[in-house]
Amino acid sequence: TQLLEQSPQFLSIQEGENLTVYCNSSSVFSSLQWYRQEPGEGPVLLVTVVTGGEVKKLKRLTFQFGDARKDSSLHITAAQPGDTGLYLCAGRSGAGSYQLTFGKGTKLSVIP
Amino acid sequence: NAGVTQTPKFQVLKTGQSMTLQCAQDMNHEYMSWYRQDPGMGLRLIHYSVGAGITDQGEVPNGYNVSRSTTEDFPLRLLSAAPSQTSVYFCASSTSWAGGGEQYFGPGTRLTVT
Repeated sequence: TQLLEQSPQFLSIQEGENLTVYCNSSSVFSSLQWYRQEPGEGPVLLVTVVTGGEVKKLKRLTFQFGDARKDSSLHITAAQPGDTGLYLCAGRSGAGSYQLTFGKGTKLSVIP
Repeated sequence: NAGVTQTPKFQVLKTGQSMTLQCAQDMNHEYMSWYRQDPGMGLRLIHYSVGAGITDQGEVPNGYNVSRSTTEDFPLRLLSAAPSQTSVYFCASSTSWAGGGEQYFGPGTRLTVT
């Protein structure tokens, strides 16, 4: 069973601060996705990365896929209260694989 | 366009009872799946379907059945509920899984088994 370890598990920061959350594995993934989940709702896709070393930016969020495709990071610049939520990474082991392996998530609280 | 809908939103069952969680999507997606989310465990895949009439097991299929008679609907049946099945259940659908298709999740069903 492939595992995705997310760190930190919890993060509480002040509005305006920068932060990075990590998603690590000993296994190689063909693609990796990041989702955000708000209380009482289902996860919503933020980004998909498929190429080792790939960097994608979504406004204040920067996503990076490791060169070996075993890890990923999410960096948020100048965090805002609206960024509060549970951030989940999810990986696919092969291009033809349907099964997504999810990490346990990082719960982010941004304090105004 | 409602996306992925799930009913009921909340449910309480007694041990041994059976029930069906409903899931429907109006996006004409081929791929649908069921996950459970437990504190500290993340999302785990229960069953999935790659099209009408085709289903397969995920990581934690025991105690659950599925069927896919139409593209739109993918119900999850609990045959004999157990306290270990207390969880939040999410249904998801996607257009493509090869290369990383986006999964659209429903709002979830919170199930408590006493």
